[in-house]
Amino acid sequence: DIQMTQSPSSLSASVGDRVTITCRASQGISNYLAWYQQKPGKVPELLIFAASTLQSGVPSRFSGSGSGTDFTLTISSLQPEDIATYYCQKYNNAPLTFGGGTKVEIK
Amino acid sequence: EVQLLESGGGSVQPGGSLRLSCVVSGFTFGNYAMSWVRQAPGKGLECVSAISGSGASTNYADSVKGRFAISRDNSKSTLYLQMNSLRAEDTAVYYCAKGTGTYYIRNWFDSWGQGTLVTVSS
Repeated sequence: DIQMTQSPSSLSASVGDRVTITCRASQGISNYLAWYQQKPGKVPELLIFAASTLQSGVPSRFSGSGSGTDFTLTISSLQPEDIATYYCQKYNNAPLTFGGGTKVEIK
Repeated sequence: EVQLLESGGGSVQPGGSLRLSCVVSGFTFGNYAMSWVRQAPGKGLECVSAISGSGASTNYADSVKGRFAISRDNSKSTLYLQMNSLRAEDTAVYYCAKGTGTYYIRNWFDSWGQGTLVTVSS
């Protein structure tokens, strides 16, 4: 099975900072990658699909890139409401594996 | 508006069984694959099972294979997860999640339920 590895597992940044989260697949998955945001105590929500397509309603400060094995989620200017854990997920084939998550905190 | 509402969680002893349900509304249920995703306390997300829109095709994580069974009743817009031989490590919030296509691969989750807590403890 393909493994999904996220880094870092946590990060602390200041409001307004550019934040980058990395997700690496153990084998190529083309662009079959989604990113989800889970705020504390809340349900996960879809941010990005097809590696770089922003879900309707998601702020434009979020962006995704990558293809094959290496992917990134970028928050161009961190806001207090972005405090959450972010998960990548591959969906090219089963099992539909998630990365381990990246917890984003405000410094 | 798409809505997914899980039920059936609770406390059960190791070796016991539970049946989770997820009633949906706001979309044509049979046109979309569905999945069960769980989250153990303080841990990440794990997709434990998925089912195609017709119900003809299913998939299970190795951690639950042979113990859990996913099914759906498209006439009732309801997804099920029968969980047998439960273990302490199955303790988690279980979410139902809607896919974006008929088959469970090549599509992502665009809607999630609020989750139902399953606790396995003696």
